Amino acid sequence: EAQVTQNPRYLITVTGKKLTVTCSQNMNHEYMSWYRQDPGLGLRQIYYSMNVEVTDKGDVPEGYKVSRKEKRNFPLILESPSPNQTSLYFCASSSQGAVNEQYFGPGTRLTVT
Amino acid sequence: AQSVTQLDSQVPVFEEAPVELRCNYSSSVSVYLFWYVQYPNQGLQLLLKYLSGSTLVKGINGFEAEFNKSQTSFHLRKPSVHISDTAEYFCAVRFTSGTYKYIFGTGTRLKVLA
Repeated sequence: EAQVTQNPRYLITVTGKKLTVTCSQNMNHEYMSWYRQDPGLGLRQIYYSMNVEVTDKGDVPEGYKVSRKEKRNFPLILESPSPNQTSLYFCASSSQGAVNEQYFGPGTRLTVT
Repeated sequence: AQSVTQLDSQVPVFEEAPVELRCNYSSSVSVYLFWYVQYPNQGLQLLLKYLSGSTLVKGINGFEAEFNKSQTSFHLRKPSVHISDTAEYFCAVRFTSGTYKYIFGTGTRLKVLA
């Protein structure tokens, strides 16, 4: 089954404790992306990647890091999480220069206390 | 700066009535346009997209949207809604050149009433 998986699905952590949210896709997609969803603000793109070793900033990259060492994986790293990073995070992937459908993962709900 | 505006945060409508969800964008370059739907506690899925060609685009579940370049709009319509259409709808743009960044609107919550 074609899918995007994210782990963990739920995470409660404390300010400053480094964490990684993993994202993996099995569709051989070139394009992968991270979004955060907050009430009243919709989805905002954090980072995206056009292919292995090629990443670029979205609209809200501050406080986040990404890497794309393998085509199927695109982890999101929060080096020093803060409460304003409490949010619902989605990973997505797409083929052909990202003009095709983005397939979204199930989401990761992160709470930083 | 480029932006996507969905003015209606919530739209209540009775079952079998028509609905229009509005989307306007601001961009100095040409864009690709998308509508996504998010059902409760799920990720997003694509309803339809406009890349080029005919300005009237048909999508899944009976939805359609019309691209109006002069008004920079891409409104979503359905002639007769069902209870199962209750969800949040997001309009999004991706620029045709220079960047592969996406910009989403703030979403419109469609509530279909029996």
